[in-house]
Amino acid sequence: NAGVTQTPKFQVLKTGQSMTLQCAQDMNHNSMYWYRQDPGMGLRLIYYSASEGTTDKGEVPNGYNVSRLNKREFSLRLESAAPSQTSVYFCASSEGGQKYQPQHFGDGTRLSIL
Amino acid sequence: AQKVTQAQTEISVVEKEDVTLDCVYETRDTTYYLFWYKQPPSGELVFLIRRNSFDEQNEISGRYSWNFQKSTSSFNFTITASQVVDSAVYFCALSEAVLGNQFYFGTGTSLTVIP
Repeated sequence: NAGVTQTPKFQVLKTGQSMTLQCAQDMNHNSMYWYRQDPGMGLRLIYYSASEGTTDKGEVPNGYNVSRLNKREFSLRLESAAPSQTSVYFCASSEGGQKYQPQHFGDGTRLSIL
Repeated sequence: AQKVTQAQTEISVVEKEDVTLDCVYETRDTTYYLFWYKQPPSGELVFLIRRNSFDEQNEISGRYSWNFQKSTSSFNFTITASQVVDSAVYFCALSEAVLGNQFYFGTGTSLTVIP
């Protein structure tokens, strides 16, 4: 019953450091997503992967890169962290190809950039 | 332009009161899907309900009910006899069948139920 697993749950970085957030799902979903959540702004899509082997930019992709390693795993990388990237990051997955399918979310990663 | 608008940023009610959370959406697609998610203080996002654009029947699930009105592009969520455990941030979201590849989330409504 793991669903969507994100690691780590918390992280503090210094400006300029790099970091990869990991996400894995065990529901055999085709599509995976990375969001950031900031106060008063809801969830904003960073990148998504409609299916294994494809990735596309979302609303706020600058400063991030992603890798769809396989069907299960979708990682988010900050190459040079900036204080503006302090946020809570959520990974989600859905069956994909079917727009009516709800997204299932991980528990989030709380990231602070000093 | 915001595709999903949740104009109520914060709402406080006293336990057992009814409360309605508003959601207004914007889309040119003829087929679309609307969702509500709950985010309790623990932080996880929990899927509550989905509604298809071609099904305007209202839905009731226990103390929760949803009113979908295409004429006003609204998908409002009512909690009857609110309880402290209902305290959370609630998000409305839109998925378009043809025109978009994304979920569009509103900015959320923070509901506090006071005992």
